[in-house]
Amino acid sequence: AQKVTQAQTEISVVEKEDVTLDCVYETRDTTYYLFWYKQPPSGELVFLIRRNSFDEQNEISGRYSWNFQKSTSSFNFTITASQVVDSAVYFCALSGNYGQNFVFGPGTRLSVLP
Amino acid sequence: EAQVTQNPRYLITVTGKKLTVTCSQNMNHEYMSWYRQDPGLGLRQIYYSMNVEVTDKGDVPEGYKVSRKEKRNFPLILESPSPNQTSLYFCASSPSRQGSDEQYFGPGTRLTVT
Repeated sequence: AQKVTQAQTEISVVEKEDVTLDCVYETRDTTYYLFWYKQPPSGELVFLIRRNSFDEQNEISGRYSWNFQKSTSSFNFTITASQVVDSAVYFCALSGNYGQNFVFGPGTRLSVLP
Repeated sequence: EAQVTQNPRYLITVTGKKLTVTCSQNMNHEYMSWYRQDPGLGLRQIYYSMNVEVTDKGDVPEGYKVSRKEKRNFPLILESPSPNQTSLYFCASSPSRQGSDEQYFGPGTRLTVT
């Protein structure tokens, strides 16, 4: 069975601090995909990134970066110089090769204080 | 505009009164699914559909029904709602059944069953 763990339920930081959101996954599949979604206070789900299991290269997009390590089954998300607009719930998700088994973690609520 | 729409956005009902939440996408996507979001549990998949007339159970299907008679529509039916189905519901679609596909989410339906 697939499982995603986000051990940090809530995190509070002050604006401009860096923050890392942890994601640990479990799967027996050799081909799988990892995702991060953002849910701002308005409630919609916003896609941030997708990573496949064969690509361990880290990715940076502006203030966002992702660190994928198969050896520790982790796919962590770092926000550099956080801003108030980053306040949201962030979900890590895992999918097998076929989309029927799309599993979300419980989410991490990030509060960025001015 | 490419989108997934859900109706209604908010619904308060009583135990046992049948209800339907509609979901429609205009992107010609093959794959559609329903999730419920509960605090501390993230999003859990209720049902999914890989194509017209093909539906299957997700992780929490009890008390729900779905149908996929047309490619664009995927209604969620609660034949006899109970208070434990009070939740935030999301419909999602993706181009195909491939696990690599990003899921596009609707705006959510907040259901309260009293």
